[in-house]
Amino acid sequence: DVKVTQSSRYLVKRTGEKVFLECVQDMDHENMFWYRQDPGLGLRLIYFSYDVKMKEKGDIPEGYSVSREKKERFSLILESASTNQTSMYLCASSLPGEVNNEQFFGPGTRLTVL
Amino acid sequence: AQSVTQLGSHVSVSEGALVLLRCNYSSSVPPYLFWYVQYPNQGLQLLLKYTSAATLVKGINGFEAEFKKSETSFHLTKPSAHMSDAAEYFCAVRNSNDYKLSFGAGTTVTVRA
Repeated sequence: DVKVTQSSRYLVKRTGEKVFLECVQDMDHENMFWYRQDPGLGLRLIYFSYDVKMKEKGDIPEGYSVSREKKERFSLILESASTNQTSMYLCASSLPGEVNNEQFFGPGTRLTVL
Repeated sequence: AQSVTQLGSHVSVSEGALVLLRCNYSSSVPPYLFWYVQYPNQGLQLLLKYTSAATLVKGINGFEAEFKKSETSFHLTKPSAHMSDAAEYFCAVRNSNDYKLSFGAGTTVTVRA
């Protein structure tokens, strides 16, 4: 059974803190993604990675960075958390190529920044 | 850049009634299209996908969707709603030369007994 896990389901942090969100997949997928989900806006892509140490900005990268040192792990970093980063964060992974490359999602991390 | 529009942020249906969720996309090239479902406090789960084979696509849990190129639509239907169908549904599109998905804003379905 395919699996994407995220380190925390719920997280509460204070403004200005450095925050790490971890994602691990066990499917040997090349591609990994970080989204944030907000009511009425759907999912918006923050960053994605198509290989180890490779990353590309998504639609809303400001205030975030990522790290991919190993194929199975993709980390999202909030260098200095702000209240407008309170959101649900979803990680996903997929195979490369044009077919059979649907994205598999983790359960999400609900982050609250106070 | 492609975009996805889901008409109706909330849909309420009676148990046993037809479920119809609308999705329109804009894309300059033939797209790949997806419907995902999100149950409360869970991640997204793939319902079905269109990848340029048959235009009528069958998915899990009795859902199906029809790709209509002339209408740039990919509406999701289920003939008879069940209480367990209460969830949020997302339509997404991806171009053939890209890894990235663009998602609609989502439609929340409630099912009345």
